[in-house]
Amino acid sequence: QQQVKQSPQSLIVQKGGISIINCAYENTAFDYFPWYQQFPGKGPALLIAIRPDVSEKKEGRFTISFNKSAKQFSLHIMDSQPGDSATYFCAASETGSYQLTFGKGTKLSVIP
Amino acid sequence: DAGITQSPRHKVTETGTPVTLRCHQTENHRYMYWYRQDPGHGLRLIHYSYGVKDTDKGEVSDGYSVSRSKTEDFLLTLESATSSQTSVYFCAISDMGVAYGYTFGSGTRLTVV
Repeated sequence: QQQVKQSPQSLIVQKGGISIINCAYENTAFDYFPWYQQFPGKGPALLIAIRPDVSEKKEGRFTISFNKSAKQFSLHIMDSQPGDSATYFCAASETGSYQLTFGKGTKLSVIP
Repeated sequence: DAGITQSPRHKVTETGTPVTLRCHQTENHRYMYWYRQDPGHGLRLIHYSYGVKDTDKGEVSDGYSVSRSKTEDFLLTLESATSSQTSVYFCAISDMGVAYGYTFGSGTRLTVV
């Protein structure tokens, strides 16, 4: 059972454009939603995270939007740059759990 | 990645042989995890540890065992490697649980021929 569904699988965006990656979850007990960024040959690294008490969190060009009623959250990358080209994973967990459940990932390519 | 080292980085092994991957941390973090990453499947949890000698199974634990005799080391063993275990394996650590984020190692690329 896939508890976190991520789309699209791949995404191509022009430099300066907005990249949007979406995730949906099923478990209403989830209360922590991080995004990880992974460059080729490297391990994933925490990018930004949100809890359901806020609907949006912004850090620089990266924004998480959260819709609790729809059980969806998304990552927006503003002014996308070629250096943002990477694989992005959404994830979720619930209080008291030892583990994160990951989406399947989105490969983002930002072309000049 | 600072504070977490995986070894080996690459390994080719034959079907049926035992294989042990090592994760070593210098952060004194309580929680350690083993994930595998495969195209189309993302990251899937194999086993995790919440303390010395305290381990539990994850989503895809069949064919794998783990041990943690010291805080700093978490070993993943494939008792008899199969081609379906060809993958990239990542170790992750966390200090206060998942809600404070994981730090991942750089991965071990394992090929079973």
